[in-house]
Amino acid sequence: KNEVEQSPQNLTAQEGEFITINCSYSVGISALHWLQQHPGGGIVSLFMLSSGKKKHGRLIATINIQEKHSSLHITASHPRDSAVYICAGVIQGAQKLVFGQGTRLTINP
Amino acid sequence: NAGVTQTPKFQVLKTGQSMTLQCAQDMNHEYMSWYRQDPGMGLRLIHYSVGAGITDQGEVPNGYNVSRSTTEDFPLRLLSAAPSQTSVYFCASSRGYEQYFGPGTRLTVT
Repeated sequence: KNEVEQSPQNLTAQEGEFITINCSYSVGISALHWLQQHPGGGIVSLFMLSSGKKKHGRLIATINIQEKHSSLHITASHPRDSAVYICAGVIQGAQKLVFGQGTRLTINP
Repeated sequence: NAGVTQTPKFQVLKTGQSMTLQCAQDMNHEYMSWYRQDPGMGLRLIHYSVGAGITDQGEVPNGYNVSRSTTEDFPLRLLSAAPSQTSVYFCASSRGYEQYFGPGTRLTVT
């Protein structure tokens, strides 16, 4: 069964802290999306990774294919980063996604 | 491009009523899908389509129908609404690894 597990489920930090959200996935997943959802808002794809590392501004995403593990890092966190971050695996050979439960991040000023 | 659009944004139904959630995309994507998002459950796939005229069931298809007569449109029909279908519904389209989500429809069934 294709599965994606995220941790932590909830994370509260102070502005400026370095944030890490982790995602582990099962065999049969060929790539991962990191998605962001603001309260009451839509869902935006931040990154799609099938190998290595990607960076966009203060956000960095890494993936280790051998360990089936990905991390999303936020440097110099800001209250506007407060959102739910969702890891979603792309099922190999298809475009279907399987989702983690999400991590609710709150950055306090 | 408008991307993925969904209507309505909010809807309240009584048990037993039927309705259609509309979804459209202008990116010429072949793959489209419907998800529901419930607290503590994450996003779950309801139905998906790999192209016009082709649809298939996802993880939670019961109580929902879909059709795909054009590449652009992928409506989701609730045949006889039940309180268990109270949820936020997201439509998405993709090509390759690019993934785009609509803004969502918040549905309440009383």
